[in-house]
Amino acid sequence: GAVVSQHPSWVICKSGTSVKIECRSLDFQATTMFWYRQFPKQSLMLMATSNEGSKATYEQGVEKDKFLINHASLTLSTLTVTSAHPEDSSFYICSATEAGYTFGSGTRLTVV
Amino acid sequence: QKEVEQDPGPLSVPEGAIVSLNCTYSNSAFQYFMWYRQYSRKGPELLMYTYSSGNKEDGRFTAQVDKSSKYISLFIRDSQPSDSATYLCAMSFSFGNEKLTFGTGTRLTIIP
Repeated sequence: GAVVSQHPSWVICKSGTSVKIECRSLDFQATTMFWYRQFPKQSLMLMATSNEGSKATYEQGVEKDKFLINHASLTLSTLTVTSAHPEDSSFYICSATEAGYTFGSGTRLTVV
Repeated sequence: QKEVEQDPGPLSVPEGAIVSLNCTYSNSAFQYFMWYRQYSRKGPELLMYTYSSGNKEDGRFTAQVDKSSKYISLFIRDSQPSDSATYLCAMSFSFGNEKLTFGTGTRLTIIP
């Protein structure tokens, strides 16, 4: 079946630094990938829709200059959290579509 | 009112019991309905998806959709401790390159 690989699975960074999270579709091409954020004991909140070769579409309330998304190829999308602050600490999950929605294993970001 | 409502639980049942998980939604335009299972600190895993109204069975899992009532259900028969997880319902207007709208998730614990 379709596999989505997400790295890193866990990262700690200092406040003010930037962190890049990668999402790869391993055995299929994904023209569209989705980035979600999940707080403890809460559901997934869509942050943005990433389209290969074009700008991402951000959901209302998501700062596009803070959460930079790049979808440079049909198998790779990246999310960069710029100038991270403790309130950005969360679980970030990507999803890619082929014949359905496959999720990555998630990245736990802790900003100290 | 949220687009998708799901009882967050937590729900605890003894091993072997039948589990019923439910979601209601407000937008009648939703056509595709999915159930995901999410273990702690992992990405969601697709269990089942259905199109429009009807039932679908896969092993111990049965998904039901009643579009007239805007109500979907997931039944788990012969529940096992390994079924302990958070279950998320999700839905979309079309299937493929479109965002999902998630319920809040129900935390389920199967007691041995």
